[in-house]
Amino acid sequence: DIVLTQSPDSLAVSLGERATINCKSSQSVLYSSNNKNYLAWYQQKPGQPPKLLVYWASTRESGVPDRFSGSGSGTDFTLTISSLQAEDVAVYYCQQYYSSPHTFGQGTKLEIK
Amino acid sequence: QVQLQESGPGLVKPSETLSLTCTVSGYSIRGGYYWGWIRQPPGKGLEWMGSIYHSGTTHYNPSLKSRVIISVDTSKNQFSLNLSSVTAADTAVYYCARDGYCSGGICYLAWFDPWGQGTLVTVSS
Repeated sequence: DIVLTQSPDSLAVSLGERATINCKSSQSVLYSSNNKNYLAWYQQKPGQPPKLLVYWASTRESGVPDRFSGSGSGTDFTLTISSLQAEDVAVYYCQQYYSSPHTFGQGTKLEIK
Repeated sequence: QVQLQESGPGLVKPSETLSLTCTVSGYSIRGGYYWGWIRQPPGKGLEWMGSIYHSGTTHYNPSLKSRVIISVDTSKNQFSLNLSSVTAADTAVYYCARDGYCSGGICYLAWFDPWGQGTLVTVSS
């Protein structure tokens, strides 16, 4: 199985500041035939299901604010929130779909400083 | 828009079988896509359990493969999860979700969107 390790486990950022969450894969999730990275990011608020933010590592889902962006390739990926808003407090997960089984990172808890 | 809703017992006894159903509205399961189950123990992370295509083709997480069966009923636009021989470790919120994307008439396992609201299942005597 592909293991995804997120860092940090928790993060406190001031409102309006940048938040950066990392996801490292135990093996590359870049499919060479189409040059796509098989990685998604989710946001989960308390008592709610996860919400898809980004797929193909950097494609923002429709309706997701443009302050959220995904980047990276191969084994190292980043979710960046350019200007933190109060409603962004949540746990964030990465997920790979390069190979079965689908696996998720352990989650990063984002709070307001 | 596509909506999913989980249903089933909230309490299951140890060694018994956990059974849940996901009802899809706003989209016909026959139209394509895989449909999956993901669970989340209280205060913990996410675990994919398995996914099914409308044809009945299934993909399971090997960590659960011997205990999990996912089935589909296209006439009711539902798919179901059966998890046998449950223990306290199976206590979790169980989510159903659409799995993947379709391109050129072929559907692939990928990201999960949308998700149901989830249902808490507690394993206890």
